[in-house]
This record gives sequence, C-alpha cells and structure tokens, in this order.
Amino acid sequence: DGGITQSPKYLFRKEGQNVTLSCEQNLNHDAMYWYRQDPGQGLRLIYYSQIVNDFQKGDIAEGYSVSREKKESFPLTVTSAQKNPTAFYLCASSSDRLLLSEQYFGPGTRLTVT
Amino acid sequence: RKEVEQDPGPFNVPEGATVAFNCTYSNSASQSFFWYRQDCRKEPKLLMSVYSSGNEDGRFTAQLNRASQYISLLIRDSKLSDSATYLCVVAGGYQKVTFGTGTKLQVIP
Repeated sequence: DGGITQSPKYLFRKEGQNVTLSCEQNLNHDAMYWYRQDPGQGLRLIYYSQIVNDFQKGDIAEGYSVSREKKESFPLTVTSAQKNPTAFYLCASSSDRLLLSEQYFGPGTRLTVT
Repeated sequence: RKEVEQDPGPFNVPEGATVAFNCTYSNSASQSFFWYRQDCRKEPKLLMSVYSSGNEDGRFTAQLNRASQYISLLIRDSKLSDSATYLCVVAGGYQKVTFGTGTKLQVIP
C-alpha cells in the first residue's frame, strides 16, 4: 500500500522538552511538507522540502527544525523554543519539485504540551 | 488582503440542495488550484483539481475564473455524508502553496 505514515497519532510532552514527529512516504514523491493546524483554523506551512538534503522555511518556522536525509523521510522536531506547540501536525507529500501538484496527507499527530 | 480567502460558513443546507463555495486568491501568478475535504479531526483529502476549462466529478463541479481570481466548488444533490470542511488550495508564484481556512458545510436531514 502506498501512502504517508505519521507516528505517533497522539503525543504528550512536558514543557521544555524537544520532541520529534515522524513522517514517512513510499509514494516516491520529491516534495514533502509540514503543516500545523490549530482548532478551528486553517493549515499553516512550517517547512517544506523539494528535494533530498534541501528544505525551506514556511510561514511559521520559528521553534521548529527539520531534516531530509532520505527521500522518503521528513521528520519534524518541535523545540522548546516554540511558544505554543500544542496543535495538530500534518505531513504531506507531492510528486513534483515545483510544488504545483496535489498534496497527499498523512493521518497527523496531535501534540499536547503541558 | 489575505492570500487565499474563503467564507468560513457554516453553510447549513437540506439534503438534496445545491450549494456553492467560492475561494478568492490574491496572486495572479498562481498556477495550480485544488479543493480538499477535511472531516473533523482528520487529515485533508484531495477532492478535485481545478482546471481552467472547469471539471466535474459526479455531483461536484469545480471552476476557475482567472480574470476575477477565484475558484468555485458546486455540490449538487447534497448528501449527509458531504458534511465537512472544504479547503481551497492555491499553488505557484511566490507564495508556493497556500491553504484557505476552509468553509464548513453541514447537510441537514
């Protein structure tokens, strides 16, 4: 089955701890993205990557970091510098490096920081 | 002006009704347009791409108006299962990819 997986589905952390969210795709897509969604809000782009070993900041990159060492993996680290980390985090991928094609999403990770 | 704007709704319509949503975008250089559906507490799922010539998929019709910079989604014969939030997406130009905040649809029996 081709698709995008995110783990875990729910994650709980104490304030001050860094946490890494996993995102894996076996669609052979070049581009991958991380979004954040707060209750009743739209999706906001955190980081995106058009190709292995390269990534760009999105609209709300502060307090987050990513890596793209393999084509199929794009992990997101939520650092202690992120002021309001509790949110629904969605990973997506798309086939083209120009970011013009449709995106496919993983099931998301709900992060709660207390 | 926001890059991508949608009426948040909610749109409450009876079963069998026809409902239309619009989405306006500010960047005239945008190249790709999509509609996604998002159910409560789930990930967005692609509903359809939007082409200049318009496209139809069953009860759903999407259209693009480049001159006025908006895309539309028409749902005919609404079903209870159509209840969801509908997100428009605009890609290309300097903005890369931008999601609208979504329009909530509630289909009532």
